Amino acid sequence: GAGVSQSPSNKVTEKGKDVELRCDPISGHTALYWYRQSLGQGLEFLIYFQGNSAPDKSGLPSDRFSAERTGGSVSTLTIQRTQQEDSAVYLCASSLVGGGSDTQYFGPGTRLTVL
Amino acid sequence: GQSLEQPSEVTAVEGAIVQINCTYQTSGFYGLSWYQQHDGGAPTFLSYNALDGLEETGRFSSFLSRSDSYGYLLLQELQMKDSASYFCAVNPPGGQNFVFGPGTRLSVLP
Repeated sequence: GAGVSQSPSNKVTEKGKDVELRCDPISGHTALYWYRQSLGQGLEFLIYFQGNSAPDKSGLPSDRFSAERTGGSVSTLTIQRTQQEDSAVYLCASSLVGGGSDTQYFGPGTRLTVL
Repeated sequence: GQSLEQPSEVTAVEGAIVQINCTYQTSGFYGLSWYQQHDGGAPTFLSYNALDGLEETGRFSSFLSRSDSYGYLLLQELQMKDSASYFCAVNPPGGQNFVFGPGTRLSVLP
């Protein structure tokens, strides 16, 4: 079956512009995560959605970052007024029910470059 | 809060056994996960330890000791395709804000 998909695969933008990154999780997965990975670094948690519950936004680095998950499926991560330090690979993952023992399936990521 | 430490690089030869350590300072967590990531690829789940002890999955095993604040990933019969970065991660009690270690880059030599 289809895995997690993300679009676009690459995004180049100018400082100050807004960007939207999309994630399509595996069908039936109730949990969805967004992470950020800078070059050669580990993954940085951004936000977590579980079903219809309020998302865990504790990892969002600033109020320029926001995310939505519509209908318990597709999610969009929005970065407003992008800065050069926002350049990174943004990874989305989904899992069946959430939790450490539940396998997270990652998408291929969106490489964001802010000039 | 949580912080995890891993060696930055490990090198080994084909057929060998290698152990990648993960030490942590955390106020508590549900379990320790391990992920593999090839260059340019997405992370893939390898194993999860909820309890102390050894979990074995084929050539890979993972170990956790909460009393020692320590875990490791053991890779046996190394193959060239095992060359990748390996990350440990924890999720705190009551939360899903996973914290990942900085990653260990494993190079397998012929």
